[in-house]
Amino acid sequence: AQKITQTQPGMFVQEKEAVTLDCTYDTSDPSYGLFWYKQPSSGEMIFLIYQGSYDQQNATEGRYSLNFQKARKSANLVISASQLGDSAMYFCAMREGRRGDFGNEKLTFGTGTRLTIIP
Amino acid sequence: ETGVTQSPTHLIKTRGQQVTLRCSSQSGHNTVSWYQQALGQGPQFIFQYYREEENGRGNFPPRFSGLQFPNYSSELNVNALELDDSALYLCASSLGGAGSPLHFGNGTRLTVT
Repeated sequence: AQKITQTQPGMFVQEKEAVTLDCTYDTSDPSYGLFWYKQPSSGEMIFLIYQGSYDQQNATEGRYSLNFQKARKSANLVISASQLGDSAMYFCAMREGRRGDFGNEKLTFGTGTRLTIIP
Repeated sequence: ETGVTQSPTHLIKTRGQQVTLRCSSQSGHNTVSWYQQALGQGPQFIFQYYREEENGRGNFPPRFSGLQFPNYSSELNVNALELDDSALYLCASSLGGAGSPLHFGNGTRLTVT
């Protein structure tokens, strides 16, 4: 079974509009973390935002926020006021394991969503 | 603060050859992991090293091996290259701990002909 599912292969959004990228996950581990990464055409993976399974509030980092719905096992990324530089691949990823579990760096990634911002 | 650096950036090898990819972790990071990203796919976990020992491995054959050095730099070695090994290889480092994000390098693009 897919552990991370991103159902939107590609999205086109007008500049300055908000955009939501979908991510659902599957795990039986009560402790896990969810990450979003951005990958421009250059190939580097850029960390955007993190949400822990025990965090009570949705994570926010500047224009990025994570809409975490634990019961639905969903962790959608919201980008407010999109910019041309936001055009890239976006990956949702999950790390399973105990809090403070050192040496557990395995991330399971989804297949990504290619976001294109239209001027 | 120096980020994660990988070398080389591009590499072309012939099927059956061996290759070594290198990674320098971000300063202060004691954990390094390697990922393989085929074209159009998300990265796949190969293995991770913590304090110079492999302590986690994905679904990759033994011809994928690695090392972590005392200065936390790392190598990924692939023997008997196959055409399907053509991919972007990403190295990532972190401070460790469930909430620590992985910081990735720019990757090495390996082409096997």
